[in-house]
Amino acid sequence: AQSVAQPEDQVNVAEGNPLTVKCTYSVSGNPYLFWYVQYPNRGLQFLLKYITGDNLVKGSYGFEAEFNKSQTSFHLKKPSALVSDSALYFCAVRDGDSSASKIIFGSGTRLSIRP
Amino acid sequence: GAVVSQHPSWVICKSGTSVKIECRSLDFQATTMFWYRQFPKQSLMLMATSNEGSKATYEQGVEKDKFLINHASLTLSTLTVTSAHPEDSSFYICSASPGHEQFFGPGTRLTVL
Repeated sequence: AQSVAQPEDQVNVAEGNPLTVKCTYSVSGNPYLFWYVQYPNRGLQFLLKYITGDNLVKGSYGFEAEFNKSQTSFHLKKPSALVSDSALYFCAVRDGDSSASKIIFGSGTRLSIRP
Repeated sequence: GAVVSQHPSWVICKSGTSVKIECRSLDFQATTMFWYRQFPKQSLMLMATSNEGSKATYEQGVEKDKFLINHASLTLSTLTVTSAHPEDSSFYICSASPGHEQFFGPGTRLTVL
């Protein structure tokens, strides 16, 4: 069975500093990995995905993530944090590449950017 | 990107009543839709996979008679919470995928008094 783990419940970063939100995964086949962001009382917004290809994936709002097969990690990064980046971030893994493939979410990491 | 809508966005009901939540794919057809629930400050838990024209597939621990799912068309899936109780209060989110990427509805906040 596939799973993802987000070891940090909360990450606190000063505005302008780089940020990293950690994620590790476990899959039996090829990993299809995603990052989503959720603002209060809102649905999920897609940030980026890894299906195949370059290990460094660039996404929305200046975010990027690095796929590391040997460490089974897919950490989310941003070079310079903004206060508006404060939100709940979910790492997710999909069990296939079709429209019927399920997505399993990590526990979420709350990112707090202080001015 | 593709758009998934949900209705209503929030609902308050009395204990013992039933509540129906709609999920629509607005600009694509979806033979499969997914229903999640999210408790405050927690992750999204997959409840069931809704399949157009056939029975839904429920995750372990989810009562199929409690959470009725109907996927009667390629653009609409409904989740009915039957005989709702306060512990059913939660944020319910649906999703659908036209291909590689899954798109999520804005969510429905259910409060059962």
